[in-house]
Amino acid sequence: DVKVTQSSRYLVKRTGEKVFLECVQDMDHENMFWYRQDPGLGLRLIYFSYDVKMKEKGDIPEGYSVSREKKERFSLILESASTNQTSMYLCASRGGHRASDTQYFGPGTRLTVL
Amino acid sequence: GQNIDQPTEMTATEGAIVQINCTYQTSGFNGLFWYQQHAGEAPTFLSYNVLDGLEEKGRFSSFLSRSKGYSYLLLKELQMKDSASYLCAVRSPTGTASKLTFGTGTRLQVTL
Repeated sequence: DVKVTQSSRYLVKRTGEKVFLECVQDMDHENMFWYRQDPGLGLRLIYFSYDVKMKEKGDIPEGYSVSREKKERFSLILESASTNQTSMYLCASRGGHRASDTQYFGPGTRLTVL
Repeated sequence: GQNIDQPTEMTATEGAIVQINCTYQTSGFNGLFWYQQHAGEAPTFLSYNVLDGLEEKGRFSSFLSRSKGYSYLLLKELQMKDSASYLCAVRSPTGTASKLTFGTGTRLQVTL
């Protein structure tokens, strides 16, 4: 079974803090993704990575950065957290290059910024 | 640009059949996915369509019409555990990697 884990299920931070969200997958997948999920807006792609040290902006990258130093780990960084970044953050990974290859999601981190 | 539309909420009775529609307008098309997401949990894969027609998988079926930009997910013999959100997502090729664009999801409530 593919396993995608995220470092925390719940996180509370203060405005201006630097926040790290970690994601690890154990299936040697090349592609990894960070999404945020908000009511009425669905899943929105923040950043993705198709190889170690490679990254591409998704649809809403502002206020975020990412790091992929190892194949299995993809980190999302909030340089200076703001209240509008309160959300559910979901990491996903995908192996292979076929269009039919699905993404596997982690359990999510619910981040609250006060 | 990408635009994917689904109904926000639906209600159906246990044992019945329900159809969840998804329409899309995307720049480039490389397949359509359906995911199921129970409250507080991660989305899980249900189906993938890239060619026109119906794909059946047990109680769940998914249909695609590329010319109409339309898909539906059909759930038969509804069970209480089918109460969840159903997410439609379109894959579009983009440079060296392809990504998914998600609709806002349809929350299905199954009642007795």
